[in-house]
Amino acid sequence: DADVTQTPRNRITKTGKRIMLECSQTKGHDRMYWYRQDPGLGLQLIYYSFDVKDINKGEISDGYSVSRQAQAKFSLSLESAIPNQTALYFCATSDGGTDTGELFFGEGSRLTVL
Amino acid sequence: GQNIDQPTEMTATEGAIVQINCTYQTSGFNGLFWYQQHAGEAPTFLSYNVLDGLEEKGRFSSFLSRSKGYSYLLLKELQMKDSASYLCAVMDSNYQLIWGAGTKLIIKP
Repeated sequence: DADVTQTPRNRITKTGKRIMLECSQTKGHDRMYWYRQDPGLGLQLIYYSFDVKDINKGEISDGYSVSRQAQAKFSLSLESAIPNQTALYFCATSDGGTDTGELFFGEGSRLTVL
Repeated sequence: GQNIDQPTEMTATEGAIVQINCTYQTSGFNGLFWYQQHAGEAPTFLSYNVLDGLEEKGRFSSFLSRSKGYSYLLLKELQMKDSASYLCAVMDSNYQLIWGAGTKLIIKP
């Protein structure tokens, strides 16, 4: 089983619908992240959390919200989806106690908004 | 602004050597990462450089020059499975990762 699990893996929805992407991890890491990946662009950070009571906006947080339900769970919500939120979304974790801050990614959630 | 530049696409031959360059302009520097991403899959960590010089790890090596804002990833003895995108990322002074758009590497037999 994957250490970082995202659900759903693929989702097609319509404009205006509420969508939740879920992420759970078994790595025991305290830090979790949500990224968005679009063709031709670098990964863009949406939100990140360094522990259960810590939530921080990334560079493209508008239109998104998150919830850190437990150390192992971090969900991303689109309250009212729009077509330009069509993208590949990745959850990632890292161990705050290491020097490198290496990220461990989930397998991705491909979202299409019609 | 902050910027990471790397070539969009490169082609190389199986068994050969390829060098993928990355130049960066960021607010501070706390390390440079290389990740590999196969099509439709998650990125996976390859290397981390924080000091100048070459870090070797099997067939892959990564070089950093902080004064030049420059890094490269060197892949030796290329195999077909090395066909992937290679992402360069820099950790800035706020410990935020700034990502390049990635270099798609195509390996031909």
